[in-house]
Amino acid sequence: DAGITQSPRHKVTETGTPVTLRCHQTENHRYMYWYRQDPGHGLRLIHYSYGVKDTDKGEVSDGYSVSRSKTEDFLLTLESATSSQTSVYFCASSQLNTEAFFGQGTRLTVV
Amino acid sequence: GENVEQHPSTLSVQEGDSAVIKCTYSDSASNYFPWYKQELGKRPQLIIDIRSNVGEKKDQRIAVTLNKTAKHFSLHITETQPEDSAVYFCAAIEGGGADGLTFGKGTHLIIQP
Repeated sequence: DAGITQSPRHKVTETGTPVTLRCHQTENHRYMYWYRQDPGHGLRLIHYSYGVKDTDKGEVSDGYSVSRSKTEDFLLTLESATSSQTSVYFCASSQLNTEAFFGQGTRLTVV
Repeated sequence: GENVEQHPSTLSVQEGDSAVIKCTYSDSASNYFPWYKQELGKRPQLIIDIRSNVGEKKDQRIAVTLNKTAKHFSLHITETQPEDSAVYFCAAIEGGGADGLTFGKGTHLIIQP
């Protein structure tokens, strides 16, 4: 597997609290992505980054923000978690128009 | 933006038979079409991909075909085995490529013994 790791792997949090998920890659990939996976919806893009400090919104970006201060790290923040954000979150990285490598996933439960 | 439709959502086949999963895409500028396999509780992993300048690609029991005119591509698995049971996702990426893959909703492939 490519060197891409997510932390934490599991998290339970309360509604209204802020949450940050971390993604770290050692492949020197320029592009990084955050997806959420929900039954019946497949993988939906939340935010992506095309370089350090360069990010943009994906299909389901409301309620989420991201930051990329270094090539290897991409953070996803839920400013005020809601129950609708209970999901499995996957980070991925790639070079342009090539295979995307996924992290192990983070299972987030908002109660 | 790109829109990818995938069918069927569930496919059950007898061990040894073939399985075919079909996807359509909306953006004629899309030029890279990967297929991912996801086993229960695991991360998606690439099994095969095809670019828009190629019509077909094979890798042992797996093949992918692409029809650019009709904007559809298909995954073919021959001689299915129990370990092929998983969820399969097709995806497409636009010509620019920077804004990530758009995925289909997935096909749950069940191999019956």
